[in-house]
Amino acid sequence: SAVISQKPSRDICQRGTSLTIQCQVDSQVTMMFWYRQQPGQSLTLIATANQGSEATYESGFVIDKFPISRPNLTFSTLTVSNMSPEDSSIYLCSVLQNTGELFFGEGSRLTVL
Amino acid sequence: RKEVEQDPGPFNVPEGATVAFNCTYSNSASQSFFWYRQDCRKEPKLLMSVYSSGNEDGRFTAQLNRASQYISLLIRDSKLSDSATYLCVVNMRERRFGAGTRLTVKP
Repeated sequence: SAVISQKPSRDICQRGTSLTIQCQVDSQVTMMFWYRQQPGQSLTLIATANQGSEATYESGFVIDKFPISRPNLTFSTLTVSNMSPEDSSIYLCSVLQNTGELFFGEGSRLTVL
Repeated sequence: RKEVEQDPGPFNVPEGATVAFNCTYSNSASQSFFWYRQDCRKEPKLLMSVYSSGNEDGRFTAQLNRASQYISLLIRDSKLSDSATYLCVVNMRERRFGAGTRLTVKP
């Protein structure tokens, strides 16, 4: 199974600033995703991180707010830009294995003051 | 209608009880189905896939009803360690997660 490392694991940020979350996988994976889980809610897909091209965003999420990089098959970053308290959430990186199983990183817990 | 809907819960059951969760999905073209488990402040982890003919893994049984567009999870002989949130996941173009059902098993 894939081992996924996310950092930071948590952060407290000021309104208006930006934070970049990193996701490192211990093996090459084709499909990598970013999810958000707001307090008491389930997971919402933000985007699919595509290697070498622009990410594919879900409805309600835009590149200006959540720029994503995917320079290779083992690494991706998600930036939460111009943060507001509504962005306080857990952000999870996930990868799809050939078995069809979706693995998640431990998440990055963001609090915006 | 939400793409994936689950019993809202919470379910509070005594040890040894049998408990069942249902999950309905809106897209009849959905191809694969899963149950994930999420412990408090942890990431979700795959509990089991759901196969068309139904499948069992120890105390856990998953079933799929394509005609009615729902899947179910049955837990027999509940343990304290089963306490968690159970997420229904349906694969359309990509995975869609239900809101989760919280289960608490009490001694």
